[in-house]
Amino acid sequence: DAGVTQSPTHLIKTRGQQVTLRCSPKSGHDTVSWYQQALGQGPQFIFQYYEEEERQRGNFPDRFSGHQFPNYSSELNVNALLLGDSALYLCASSLWASGRDDNEQFFGPGTRLTVL
Amino acid sequence: QKEVEQNSGPLSVPEGAIASLNCTYSDRGSQSFFWYRQYSGKSPELIMFIYSNGDKEDGRFTAQLNKASQYVSLLIRDSQPSDSATYLCAVRPSFNKFYFGSGTKLNVKP
Repeated sequence: DAGVTQSPTHLIKTRGQQVTLRCSPKSGHDTVSWYQQALGQGPQFIFQYYEEEERQRGNFPDRFSGHQFPNYSSELNVNALLLGDSALYLCASSLWASGRDDNEQFFGPGTRLTVL
Repeated sequence: QKEVEQNSGPLSVPEGAIASLNCTYSDRGSQSFFWYRQYSGKSPELIMFIYSNGDKEDGRFTAQLNKASQYVSLLIRDSQPSDSATYLCAVRPSFNKFYFGSGTKLNVKP
């Protein structure tokens, strides 16, 4: 059973550039959430996709955008990179199931983005 | 006020002792609660979840929930050096939305 996969593992960009990160959810899952984790902090929710639509969004600027494909995989795009965007970007997958208290999220290995 | 608060630690316990990790949350309507373990440089790994008041045990781990006090804790019995990691508390205040605390760093000394 394939878990959540992300690519690339590491990425180095310069300020002002654009980056695309990719995620494939765990087999059987249909919902993808993206998180940003700065060093020493907990994951901060960026947004969530289900049925190819953004369903929820955290407090992140429009420079952060995403997409979900029919096979449930997802991309996170960040434009006009800033030094402060350097972080571990985590993708988490879950099952969109209303009313389930045990709806768990499983994380991928993450993409370490460094902005110089 | 943050949605989820955790003491950043580090919490140091000797090998074999009980480690107690605590978490408070602000949204009284929160439905379920999760504990993740994160080793340095790795992604969070789900340990267990709880959604009913009281205790839930899974091996050496026990999660405790008190919704009236908006408090959730994780006890690790017989702590091992391999348990040394950052423990993240996550709260699900509404359907499919999760908030994470900043984590508590646990050191288990041999």
